[in-house]
Amino acid sequence: DIQMTQSPSSLSASVGDRVTITCQASQDISKFLNWYQQKPGKAPKLLIYEASNLQTGVPSRFSGSGSGTDFTFTITSLQPEDIATYYCQQYDSFPYIFGQGTKLEIK
Amino acid sequence: EVQLVETGGGLIQPGGSLRLSCAASGFTVSSNYMTWVRQAPGKGLEWVSVIHGGGGYIYYADSLKGRFTISRDNSKNTVYLQMNSLRADDTAVYYCAGSYSYGSLDYWGQGTLVTVSS
Repeated sequence: DIQMTQSPSSLSASVGDRVTITCQASQDISKFLNWYQQKPGKAPKLLIYEASNLQTGVPSRFSGSGSGTDFTFTITSLQPEDIATYYCQQYDSFPYIFGQGTKLEIK
Repeated sequence: EVQLVETGGGLIQPGGSLRLSCAASGFTVSSNYMTWVRQAPGKGLEWVSVIHGGGGYIYYADSLKGRFTISRDNSKNTVYLQMNSLRADDTAVYYCAGSYSYGSLDYWGQGTLVTVSS
């Protein structure tokens, strides 16, 4: 199985900060990577698909980049409503493993 | 508007069986990808299983093969997850998710909690 290593596991930042989360795959997954946001007590929400494509309706402060084994998720200007846990997910091959998650908090 | 509603969760004893349902509206189960994802209390997301097309496209997480079975009823526009030989570590919120293209989980239900305990 492909393993996904996401870091950091938690992050504290101030409103307006630029926030970056990384995800590393154990083998080449091309661009077959998604990013999800999960707020407490809620279902996850797709933010980015195919590594860098913004899902419809998602604010443009969210972005993704990368290919192969190394991927980055960025929030350009952190907003209070962005407090959540973020997950990467590969879909190059089954099983579609998720990263361990990054819990984002406001400083 | 797409809605996915999971039902069937509850408290079950170890070794027991449970069938979860995911009823879809505004989204056609038979022609799209339907996935189950679970989340143990306080833990991350775990991909469980997917079904698509005529039924030949079915995949499971390695650790669940043989105990869990995904299926669907097109007439009811509903997907199921049959879970057998349940163990304490199967305790989780189970989400169903739908997508038009493979890989991306576009729409999610609210989840149903399964608790395996004596």
